[in-house]
Amino acid sequence: GAVVSQHPSWVICKSGTSVKIECRSLDFQATTMFWYRQFPKQSLMLMATSNEGSKATYEQGVEKDKFLINHASLTLSTLTVTSAHPEDSSFYICSARDQYGRLATNEKLFFGSGTQLSVL
Amino acid sequence: DQQVKQNSPSLSVQEGRISILNCDYTNSMFDYFLWYKKYPAEGPTFLISISSIKDKNEDGRFTVFLNKSAKHLSLHIVPSQPGDSAVYFCAVKGTYKYIFGTGTRLKVLA
Repeated sequence: GAVVSQHPSWVICKSGTSVKIECRSLDFQATTMFWYRQFPKQSLMLMATSNEGSKATYEQGVEKDKFLINHASLTLSTLTVTSAHPEDSSFYICSARDQYGRLATNEKLFFGSGTQLSVL
Repeated sequence: DQQVKQNSPSLSVQEGRISILNCDYTNSMFDYFLWYKKYPAEGPTFLISISSIKDKNEDGRFTVFLNKSAKHLSLHIVPSQPGDSAVYFCAVKGTYKYIFGTGTRLKVLA
């Protein structure tokens, strides 16, 4: 399957600082990337969908200015948590696919390894 | 409102026995369903899927059953192994995104 690399795997930061998380597709061109967030013992919540070269589409309730997404190349998308606060502490996961638009019938997502963010 | 529900947050099963994980969904228009397995501090990995034109799909020790009239799917693992201990998420395919259930933590006891 497709390989998706996510970095860093964990980060601890002080409240008020910004943290950048990278998601790379290693063996394919990722035209679309999805960013998820998982709180302990809860489901994977889609935060936003980013298409290469265009603005990300955010899910309802996700602050665009808080979670900045950049998808400037076909192999890299970044999520920046700006002015992080303790409530932003969570597990962030990216997923990438190699096409735009509607999901294919039998398509499955390949996920990065996730980033555990802890804001002190 | 949760469109995909996994009502059992946890399940413990003895090694060698069958593990049955359940998932319910609300929208009868959903036509493709997947199960993902997730270890702590790792991203989910794809396990098995099923299309709405089928009611069963099998892959080794893993079998997924789909009951469209009940809007219910289940994952059977037999025989269960300690390495199967993880959180299992069911997911349904929407038009542009997947919707995940809340997960069931499976613990296989040696």
